[in-house]
Parts: sequence; structure tokens; C-alpha cells
Amino acid sequence: DVVLTQSPLSLPVTLGQPASISCRSSQSLVYSDGNTYLTWFQQRPGQSPRRLIYKVSNRDSGVPDRFSGSGSGTDFTLKISRVEAEDVGVYYCMQGTHWYTFGQGTKLEIK
Amino acid sequence: QVQLQESGPGLVKPSETLSLTCTVSGGSITTYYWSWVRQFPGKGLEWIGYVYDSGTKYYPSFKNRATISADTSKNLFSLRLSSVTAADTAVYYCARERGGYFGAFDIWGQGTMVTVSS
Repeated sequence: DVVLTQSPLSLPVTLGQPASISCRSSQSLVYSDGNTYLTWFQQRPGQSPRRLIYKVSNRDSGVPDRFSGSGSGTDFTLKISRVEAEDVGVYYCMQGTHWYTFGQGTKLEIK
Repeated sequence: QVQLQESGPGLVKPSETLSLTCTVSGGSITTYYWSWVRQFPGKGLEWIGYVYDSGTKYYPSFKNRATISADTSKNLFSLRLSSVTAADTAVYYCARERGGYFGAFDIWGQGTMVTVSS
């Protein structure tokens, strides 16, 4: 199975400051069709996961533009340019290139 | 607006079969992939498998225990997981995926907690 390793696992951030979450894969996530199927989800406390970013860098409609995704091959990053209170929750990366597996999650909290 | 709602027993005895249903409202279940994902008490997420258009089904890590089926006439799909143990205790979510999006679930149910205990 493909293993996704997220870091950090805990991320205390001051309001208005940037945040960055890394997701590293044990194998390349480039699929045979040339696409890279790496997705980012946000899970707010008490809620179901919500998709933020798909295919590495495509932001979903309704997702603030302070969220961005980047990366290639085995290394990916989710960045929040200026953290707001509503961003508190757990962030998961997920790969869909080799069946589907999730990272362990990164808990973002406000300092 | 498409919505998903999981339903089923919240308590299952060890060695028995867990059965859950996901009812889809606001849209048809045809032409999409429908998955079950579970979240353990420690918060880790695990994909169980999917069904597409009633016929195509994949649950690669649960081959001997899981069955996912769809009923297009009732617009719902189901999960059966046999021989459960305490390790199957989790919140079970159903989720939708568009073809070609490879796991990028765009709609999730609210989740249902299942506890395996005698």
C-alpha cells in the first residue's frame, strides 16, 4: 500500500500568520494518464471531511483563495496564506493513484 | 443539492455482520462512484471500497469481508462487513466521487458511529 506521511501532526498558528502542511508519499503519485491524484480534505470539529483541493492544486468552489496546493511526484504541500479562526480542524491528504489511502492528519489550532 | 445519509445499527456483536445503508437524495446514483470510508476513534481515515453503477465494485483490502452493492431503483447503496471485531469500531461515512477524480470525494454523509461489542 502507498503510505502518505504528513508533517507536522500538530500545527499551532497565530491568527493571520501562514501555515504549511507537508504530505510525502512512499511512491510517485503520477498516474498512467499523466495526472496526479492528490487531494486535500479539511475536517472541522464535529463535521465530516470537506474537499478543499483535488489533483494537487485545483481549489474547490467556495474554498477561500488563501488555501493553495502544490507539489509533484512524491512531495506535496497545502498552504494557508493567512490563518483564520474558521480554519481550525484536521487536514488530511489522500492519494487516488494506487487505490486510495489517507495521510494521518494534521491538527491545526490557534495559538 | 445532493445529500447522503447513512443508516444502520450503532452496535454490532463481535463475529457478526455490520450492515449500513447510504440513501442518496437530490440526485441519481447512476454515473457516479459511491464509496464507504471509515474513521477510527484515533481519527485516522480508511477507504473501504466503492460501487459504480451497480456492477463495478472494488474493495481491495477487504476482499473476504466486505460487500458493497447499489440499488438504483431506491437510489441507495449499502455496505456489509462480515466477521467484525472491536477493530472495526469506527464512524462510517458514505461519499461520492465523480468518474475520473480518483478518490477526490466531493460529497460526504454525516457519518454513523458503529461500535463492535458484546
